[in-house]
Amino acid sequence: AQRVTQPEKLLSVFKGAPVELKCNYSYSGSPELFWYVQYSRQRLQLLLRHISRESIKGFTADLNKGETSFHLKKPFAQEEDSAMYYCALVSSSNTGKLIFGQGTTLQVKP
Amino acid sequence: EAEVAQSPRYKITEKSQAVAFWCDPISGHATLYWYRQILGQGPELLVQFQDESVVDDSQLPKDRFSAERLKGVDSTLKIQPAELGDSAMYLCASSLVPSQRGLAKNIQYFGAGTRLSVL
Repeated sequence: AQRVTQPEKLLSVFKGAPVELKCNYSYSGSPELFWYVQYSRQRLQLLLRHISRESIKGFTADLNKGETSFHLKKPFAQEEDSAMYYCALVSSSNTGKLIFGQGTTLQVKP
Repeated sequence: EAEVAQSPRYKITEKSQAVAFWCDPISGHATLYWYRQILGQGPELLVQFQDESVVDDSQLPKDRFSAERLKGVDSTLKIQPAELGDSAMYLCASSLVPSQRGLAKNIQYFGAGTRLSVL
């Protein structure tokens, strides 16, 4: 079965500390993975996708097929990073359907 | 910047009543998705349209839920009758095309959602 697991419901760090939001997936074949973010009172929006291999707002995520992980990392957290983060996997059904994890709330304390 | 529009933002209803949600995707986006997000969980797909055709409604409770996209543009999701367990956020998303994996065209853009409370 295709599944995304985000083991932490809440991650709380101090400003300037490193951040790692965990995401593990279950998928046969080559997965296509995304991180979506939802800031307070805003809509869900794309943060980054593994295929782009880009850094957005200082965040990076590397696909590790051996560990079936796609963890989101940032070396120095900022208060404005506080938000809900969702890891998502494109379904193999070729319809583009996204399978989301349960989400992790990141709280960056001053 | 173009956005996915949804209305209403909030809906309170009593169980057994009918409710309807509306979504207007980004202009030119052929694919439209309706997701349900229960508090504390990630969004889960209910139904997906490619133009006016349903391509995935495997998770749609068809005894009470219906969705249409008659002209392949805006869409309506209906619940009749509503049950207490339907209380959730209903999100609409759109993308240019769904099936070309790896391209920017399948990035999904989300609306602000409709929060439904069933009393």
